[in-house]
Amino acid sequence: QLQLQESGPGLVKPSETLSLTCTVFGGSISSTSYYWGWIRQPPGKGLEWIATIHYSGSTYYNPSLKSRVTMSVDTSKNQFSLNLASVTAADTAVYYCAGHEGSSSGGWFDPWGQGTLVTVSS
Amino acid sequence: EIVLTQSPDTLSLSPGERATLSCRASQSVRDNYLAWYQQKPGQAPRLLIYGASSRATGIPNRFSGSGSGTDFTLTISRLEPEDFAVYFCQQYGRSPYTFGQGTKLEIK
Repeated sequence: QLQLQESGPGLVKPSETLSLTCTVFGGSISSTSYYWGWIRQPPGKGLEWIATIHYSGSTYYNPSLKSRVTMSVDTSKNQFSLNLASVTAADTAVYYCAGHEGSSSGGWFDPWGQGTLVTVSS
Repeated sequence: EIVLTQSPDTLSLSPGERATLSCRASQSVRDNYLAWYQQKPGQAPRLLIYGASSRATGIPNRFSGSGSGTDFTLTISRLEPEDFAVYFCQQYGRSPYTFGQGTKLEIK
Protein backbone atom coordinates (compact mmCIF):
# COMPACT_ATOMS: atom_id res chain seq x y z
CA GLN A 1 0.00 0.00 0.00
CA LEU A 2 1.42 3.32 -1.05
CA GLN A 3 2.13 5.90 1.63
CA LEU A 4 3.48 9.41 1.19
CA GLN A 5 5.33 11.62 3.66
CA GLU A 6 6.11 15.33 3.28
CA SER A 7 9.19 16.92 4.79
CA GLY A 8 10.67 20.39 4.85
CA PRO A 9 10.88 23.62 6.84
CA GLY A 10 7.77 24.79 8.62
CA LEU A 11 8.80 28.44 8.46
CA VAL A 12 10.00 30.37 5.43
CA LYS A 13 10.85 34.07 5.20
CA PRO A 14 9.09 36.33 2.69
CA SER A 15 10.79 36.51 -0.71
CA GLU A 16 12.64 33.24 -0.09
CA THR A 17 12.04 29.83 -1.66
CA LEU A 18 9.81 27.20 -0.10
CA SER A 19 11.24 23.71 -0.60
CA LEU A 20 9.40 20.51 0.24
CA THR A 21 10.09 16.84 -0.41
CA CYS A 22 7.69 13.93 -0.56
CA THR A 23 8.93 10.39 0.04
CA VAL A 24 6.98 7.48 -1.39
CA PHE A 25 6.79 4.29 0.65
CA GLY A 26 5.37 0.92 -0.33
CA GLY A 27 5.93 1.29 -4.03
CA SER A 28 8.18 2.71 -6.71
CA ILE A 29 7.97 6.34 -7.78
CA SER A 30 9.02 5.06 -11.20
CA SER A 31 5.72 3.30 -11.77
CA THR A 32 4.63 4.21 -15.27
CA SER A 33 1.01 4.36 -14.18
CA TYR A 34 1.46 6.94 -11.43
CA TYR A 35 1.71 10.70 -11.41
CA TRP A 36 2.74 12.68 -8.34
CA GLY A 37 1.39 16.03 -7.28
CA TRP A 38 1.29 18.85 -4.75
CA ILE A 39 -1.88 20.45 -3.42
CA ARG A 40 -2.11 23.18 -0.82
CA GLN A 41 -4.74 24.43 1.59
CA PRO A 42 -4.52 27.83 3.33
CA PRO A 43 -5.76 27.67 6.93
CA GLY A 44 -9.53 27.37 6.98
CA LYS A 45 -9.81 27.49 3.21
CA GLY A 46 -10.15 25.24 0.19
CA LEU A 47 -7.75 23.14 -1.85
CA GLU A 48 -5.54 24.34 -4.70
CA TRP A 49 -3.68 22.09 -7.12
CA ILE A 50 -0.11 23.33 -7.54
CA ALA A 51 1.69 20.94 -9.88
CA THR A 52 2.10 17.34 -11.04
CA ILE A 53 5.10 15.34 -12.23
CA HIS A 54 5.69 11.97 -13.85
CA TYR A 55 8.83 9.98 -13.02
CA SER A 56 9.96 10.54 -16.61
CA GLY A 57 10.33 14.22 -15.69
CA SER A 58 7.25 15.58 -17.44
CA THR A 59 5.81 18.42 -15.38
CA TYR A 60 2.46 20.16 -15.32
CA TYR A 61 1.92 23.40 -13.44
CA ASN A 62 -1.05 25.48 -12.38
CA PRO A 63 -0.81 28.61 -14.55
CA SER A 64 -1.52 30.77 -11.49
CA LEU A 65 1.75 29.60 -9.90
CA LYS A 66 3.75 28.48 -12.92
CA SER A 67 6.21 31.38 -12.87
CA ARG A 68 7.31 30.49 -9.33
CA VAL A 69 7.03 26.68 -9.19
CA THR A 70 9.49 23.93 -9.99
CA MET A 71 8.93 20.21 -9.43
CA SER A 72 11.55 17.51 -9.68
CA VAL A 73 11.85 13.78 -9.06
CA ASP A 74 14.68 11.71 -7.59
CA THR A 75 14.05 8.08 -8.46
CA SER A 76 17.09 6.87 -6.52
CA LYS A 77 15.52 8.18 -3.30
CA ASN A 78 11.90 7.50 -4.28
CA GLN A 79 11.17 11.18 -3.75
CA PHE A 80 9.72 14.13 -5.55
CA SER A 81 10.10 17.78 -4.61
CA LEU A 82 8.48 21.18 -4.83
CA ASN A 83 10.18 24.56 -4.97
CA LEU A 84 8.04 27.71 -4.73
CA ALA A 85 10.01 30.92 -5.18
CA SER A 86 9.43 34.46 -3.93
CA VAL A 87 6.93 33.46 -1.26
CA THR A 88 4.59 35.84 0.51
CA ALA A 89 2.18 35.46 3.39
CA ALA A 90 -0.43 34.32 0.85
CA ASP A 91 1.61 31.13 0.40
CA THR A 92 1.05 30.12 4.02
CA ALA A 93 -0.79 26.80 3.83
CA VAL A 94 -0.79 23.11 4.56
CA TYR A 95 1.02 21.50 1.66
CA TYR A 96 0.00 17.98 0.68
CA CYS A 97 1.74 15.59 -1.64
CA ALA A 98 -0.43 13.02 -3.37
CA GLY A 99 -0.40 10.48 -6.14
CA HIS A 100 -2.80 9.41 -8.82
CA GLU A 101 -2.97 6.54 -11.24
CA GLY A 102 -3.60 7.20 -14.87
CA SER A 103 -2.18 7.92 -18.26
CA SER A 104 -2.33 11.69 -18.11
CA SER A 105 -1.57 14.54 -15.77
CA GLY A 106 -5.17 14.71 -14.58
CA GLY A 107 -6.53 12.26 -12.08
CA TRP A 108 -8.16 11.75 -8.74
CA PHE A 109 -5.70 12.00 -5.89
CA ASP A 110 -5.19 8.89 -3.81
CA PRO A 111 -3.14 8.41 -1.68
CA TRP A 112 -2.31 11.66 0.13
CA GLY A 113 0.44 12.53 2.54
CA GLN A 114 -0.52 13.78 5.99
CA GLY A 115 0.29 17.37 5.03
CA THR A 116 2.81 19.83 6.36
CA LEU A 117 2.09 23.38 7.48
CA VAL A 118 4.37 26.00 5.98
CA THR A 119 4.18 29.49 7.42
CA VAL A 120 5.66 32.46 5.58
CA SER A 121 6.78 35.04 8.09
CA SER A 122 9.82 37.07 8.98
CA GLU B 1 -10.25 27.44 -15.70
CA ILE B 2 -13.25 25.38 -14.60
CA VAL B 3 -14.81 26.85 -11.47
CA LEU B 4 -16.61 24.38 -9.21
CA THR B 5 -19.31 25.78 -6.95
CA GLN B 6 -20.56 23.59 -4.13
CA SER B 7 -23.85 24.00 -2.35
CA PRO B 8 -24.83 24.45 0.30
CA ASP B 9 -21.83 25.87 2.14
CA THR B 10 -23.09 24.24 5.33
CA LEU B 11 -25.58 21.42 5.74
CA SER B 12 -27.04 20.66 9.17
CA LEU B 13 -28.52 17.19 9.53
CA SER B 14 -28.99 14.47 12.12
CA PRO B 15 -27.52 10.97 12.14
CA GLY B 16 -29.71 8.64 10.13
CA GLU B 17 -30.82 11.34 7.71
CA ARG B 18 -29.98 11.53 4.02
CA ALA B 19 -27.46 14.12 2.81
CA THR B 20 -27.37 15.55 -0.69
CA LEU B 21 -24.39 17.70 -1.67
CA SER B 22 -24.14 19.54 -4.98
CA CYS B 23 -21.19 20.48 -7.17
CA ARG B 24 -21.79 22.65 -10.23
CA ALA B 25 -19.12 23.31 -12.85
CA SER B 26 -18.74 26.51 -14.86
CA GLN B 27 -18.32 24.39 -17.98
CA SER B 28 -18.81 20.75 -18.87
CA VAL B 29 -16.42 18.35 -17.12
CA ARG B 30 -14.73 16.16 -19.74
CA ASP B 31 -15.75 12.52 -19.52
CA ASN B 32 -17.29 13.19 -16.10
CA TYR B 33 -13.82 13.34 -14.59
CA LEU B 34 -15.07 14.42 -11.17
CA ALA B 35 -14.03 13.21 -7.73
CA TRP B 36 -15.35 13.71 -4.21
CA TYR B 37 -13.27 13.84 -1.04
CA GLN B 38 -14.04 13.88 2.67
CA GLN B 39 -11.85 15.88 5.03
CA LYS B 40 -11.90 15.83 8.82
CA PRO B 41 -10.12 18.41 11.00
CA GLY B 42 -6.36 18.01 10.98
CA GLN B 43 -6.46 15.27 8.36
CA ALA B 44 -5.72 15.00 4.67
CA PRO B 45 -8.64 14.63 2.28
CA ARG B 46 -9.84 11.08 1.69
CA LEU B 47 -11.00 9.97 -1.74
CA LEU B 48 -14.62 8.84 -1.79
CA ILE B 49 -15.75 8.90 -5.42
CA TYR B 50 -14.01 9.15 -8.80
CA GLY B 51 -15.38 9.25 -12.30
CA ALA B 52 -18.46 10.94 -10.85
CA SER B 53 -19.96 7.67 -9.62
CA SER B 54 -17.31 5.04 -8.83
CA ARG B 55 -16.67 4.40 -5.15
CA ALA B 56 -13.05 4.26 -4.04
CA THR B 57 -11.71 1.16 -2.33
CA GLY B 58 -13.07 0.69 1.17
CA ILE B 59 -15.74 3.40 0.94
CA PRO B 60 -19.10 2.31 2.41
CA ASN B 61 -21.95 1.92 -0.04
CA ARG B 62 -23.99 4.60 1.75
CA PHE B 63 -21.85 7.03 -0.27
CA SER B 64 -22.88 7.45 -3.89
CA GLY B 65 -22.08 9.90 -6.64
CA SER B 66 -24.10 10.89 -9.66
CA GLY B 67 -24.35 13.50 -12.35
CA SER B 68 -22.77 14.48 -15.63
CA GLY B 69 -21.79 17.52 -17.65
CA THR B 70 -21.93 20.43 -15.23
CA ASP B 71 -24.06 19.10 -12.37
CA PHE B 72 -22.88 16.49 -9.91
CA THR B 73 -24.21 15.16 -6.61
CA LEU B 74 -22.79 13.30 -3.65
CA THR B 75 -25.41 11.45 -1.64
CA ILE B 76 -24.95 9.88 1.77
CA SER B 77 -27.96 7.66 2.20
CA ARG B 78 -28.01 7.38 5.98
CA LEU B 79 -25.64 9.54 7.98
CA GLU B 80 -23.34 7.94 10.51
CA PRO B 81 -21.66 10.02 13.25
CA GLU B 82 -18.29 9.71 11.48
CA ASP B 83 -19.67 11.25 8.28
CA PHE B 84 -19.80 14.79 9.68
CA ALA B 85 -16.91 16.51 7.93
CA VAL B 86 -16.11 18.80 5.02
CA TYR B 87 -16.63 17.50 1.49
CA PHE B 88 -14.84 18.73 -1.63
CA CYS B 89 -15.39 18.02 -5.30
CA GLN B 90 -12.54 18.12 -7.82
CA GLN B 91 -12.47 18.08 -11.60
CA TYR B 92 -9.51 16.44 -13.32
CA GLY B 93 -10.67 16.65 -16.89
CA ARG B 94 -8.94 19.89 -17.79
CA SER B 95 -5.90 21.64 -16.41
CA PRO B 96 -5.74 23.50 -14.11
CA TYR B 97 -7.35 20.82 -11.99
CA THR B 98 -9.70 22.58 -9.62
CA PHE B 99 -11.58 21.96 -6.40
CA GLY B 100 -14.87 23.27 -5.10
CA GLN B 101 -14.86 25.47 -2.02
CA GLY B 102 -16.29 22.69 0.15
CA THR B 103 -19.51 21.84 1.95
CA LYS B 104 -19.41 21.46 5.70
CA LEU B 105 -21.72 18.72 6.93
CA GLU B 106 -22.50 19.40 10.57
CA ILE B 107 -24.59 17.70 13.22
CA LYS B 108 -27.95 19.33 13.78
